[in-house]
Amino acid sequence: AQSVTQLDSHVSVSEGTPVLLRCNYSSSYSPSLFWYVQHPNKGLQLLLKYTSAATLVKGINGFEAEFKKSETSFHLTKPSAHMSDAAEYFCVVRDLRGTYKYIFGTGTRLKVLA
Amino acid sequence: NAGVTQTPKFRVLKTGQSMTLLCAQDMNHEYMYWYRQDPGMGLRLIHYSVGEGTTAKGEVPDGYNVSRLKKQNFLLGLESAAPSQTSVYFCASIRRENTEAFFGQGTRLTVV
Repeated sequence: AQSVTQLDSHVSVSEGTPVLLRCNYSSSYSPSLFWYVQHPNKGLQLLLKYTSAATLVKGINGFEAEFKKSETSFHLTKPSAHMSDAAEYFCVVRDLRGTYKYIFGTGTRLKVLA
Repeated sequence: NAGVTQTPKFRVLKTGQSMTLLCAQDMNHEYMYWYRQDPGMGLRLIHYSVGEGTTAKGEVPDGYNVSRLKKQNFLLGLESAAPSQTSVYFCASIRRENTEAFFGQGTRLTVV
């Protein structure tokens, strides 16, 4: 069965410093992996996706993530945090075969300090 | 092109009442999902469907029923609402296996 673990429920960074949000996954088959962002009282926006092509994936707003099969990880990074990045971030896994479930992690709330 | 539309956007129910949430998508997507979002728990999958006429249980199906009689619509029913079902509900649809999900704007449900 597939599952996702987001290792930090809260992350605080100073504006202009790097962001690292950690995600580990478990999947019986080759997974698709996604990162979504949710700003307060808003809907979900796709940041980026991995679907078995390049292992380093670039997304919107300067975010990127690297798929590491040996570590079963898909960590989200950004070189320099901006105040507008403060939000909740979700890592999602989906098996390309099997159950077709689309499973969310419990989320990481990012706080950006001025 | 409306994408994924959820109806209603807000609702207050009394314990024991029933209601149906409607999810409609106009993108001809095969897969549809219902989630609930609660603080600190992320989005948890309630039920999902891999095509018209099919449904399957997710992680937290108890107290909910679903139907997918038409490809574009996925209905979530609460037969007898309980305060524990107070949550924000999101619907999503996916075109095929390796593409991302499109989400509705959510339904905020309060059961008193």
